[in-house]
Amino acid sequence: GENVEQHPSTLSVQEGDSAVIKCTYSDSASNYFPWYKQELGKRPQLIIDIRSNVGEKKDQRIAVTLNKTAKHFSLHITETQPEDSAVYFCAASVYNQGGKLIFGQGTELSVKP
Amino acid sequence: DVKVTQSSRYLVKRTGEKVFLECVQDMDHENMFWYRQDPGLGLRLIYFSYDVKMKEKGDIPEGYSVSREKKERFSLILESASTNQTSMYLCASTRTGGAEQYFGPGTRLTVT
Repeated sequence: GENVEQHPSTLSVQEGDSAVIKCTYSDSASNYFPWYKQELGKRPQLIIDIRSNVGEKKDQRIAVTLNKTAKHFSLHITETQPEDSAVYFCAASVYNQGGKLIFGQGTELSVKP
Repeated sequence: DVKVTQSSRYLVKRTGEKVFLECVQDMDHENMFWYRQDPGLGLRLIYFSYDVKMKEKGDIPEGYSVSREKKERFSLILESASTNQTSMYLCASTRTGGAEQYFGPGTRLTVT
């Protein structure tokens, strides 16, 4: 079955710097790659996703890139702010297979003012 | 606005007890999921359901069972709670053909 590896497990940056979180997946059939953000004490929420027919997607300060050949995808956050501090999870799935997601281990991002 | 609720935010149970965790969604979603969240391990899928009375095992089903008698409700059952089941349990739902999973607030279960 699918396996998703996420790195790093913790990341500390200064406010205004960029942050990059990387994931690899094992199942070449996976074609949907969402990212979830979980603030302390709150539920995970989708922040951005990408499907395998595109290589990059942007939404304001966040972007996701996908390399299907290498089975890598990454989350990029520019101009980080303290409110970006949270745990970020990547996931992979085969789209339209009932929404079943396989999550990575999570990255705890800390943005220092 | 999608709403997913879970029956308890915090629960303390004794070893050997039967434990019921309930999840209710109000958006008529077909698909529902139970995860456990542990530090450094991410979200691991326990069971999921594509329809009423249907269930499928996830990656870590041992020691758990589920029930889905109504479309909006998905219950996770710990038949005989053990200390290694102390964890945060998260329920989620999504519609068929949809992508985003909507999560409940979580139940932090402690088994002593």
